[in-house]
Amino acid sequence: GQNIDQPTEMTATEGAIVQINCTYQTSGFNGLFWYQQHAGEAPTFLSYNVLDGLEEKGRFSSFLSRSKGYSYLLLKELQMKDSASYLCAVMDSNYQLIWGAGTKLIIKP
Amino acid sequence: DVKVTQSSRYLVKRTGEKVFLECVQDMDHENMFWYRQDPGLGLRLIYFSYDVKMKEKGDIPEGYSVSREKKERFSLILESASTNQTSMYLCASSSGWRDYNEQFFGPGTRLTVL
Repeated sequence: GQNIDQPTEMTATEGAIVQINCTYQTSGFNGLFWYQQHAGEAPTFLSYNVLDGLEEKGRFSSFLSRSKGYSYLLLKELQMKDSASYLCAVMDSNYQLIWGAGTKLIIKP
Repeated sequence: DVKVTQSSRYLVKRTGEKVFLECVQDMDHENMFWYRQDPGLGLRLIYFSYDVKMKEKGDIPEGYSVSREKKERFSLILESASTNQTSMYLCASSSGWRDYNEQFFGPGTRLTVL
């Protein structure tokens, strides 16, 4: 079957760096997405990786290794507003998104 | 500013009622999706549509139907609501096909079935 694994919850300190991991097993691969979802709100797009390597976008970076079925989202200079759930999703061979359950990130002062 | 809107943020219905959830997008997107989101589970696809009057079953279509009479509007119908359909329902839209297609989400409808 298809599976996306990510930690349920992580805690980090304001100003620090945190890495959220995502491993996947899917039937085919056509890209990996990261979304941010604040409590009670809609998910919003953060990043897309289809080739191996690191994509940087401001304080957020996303890394992909297709051979290892692995990605991570790196958040630098954490701010209180980064407290949210982070969703990993893989586009499979049918171009459908398979979603992980999300990682709830708690930022402490 | 791109927008996906959903008709209600919160709904409370009784078992057996017919429930309509409406979604409208203003981005002229071809693709529209209905998901449900439950604690501890990833988003699960109920139905999607790649064109007007076209629909495809997702992973969990049982107990649901959809309607897409206009490009901008995609409705989710619970023919006879049951308590196990209590959930957060998210609508999304995207453009493109078989390529990078960021999905834009609505704010969600939290449905409670009593």
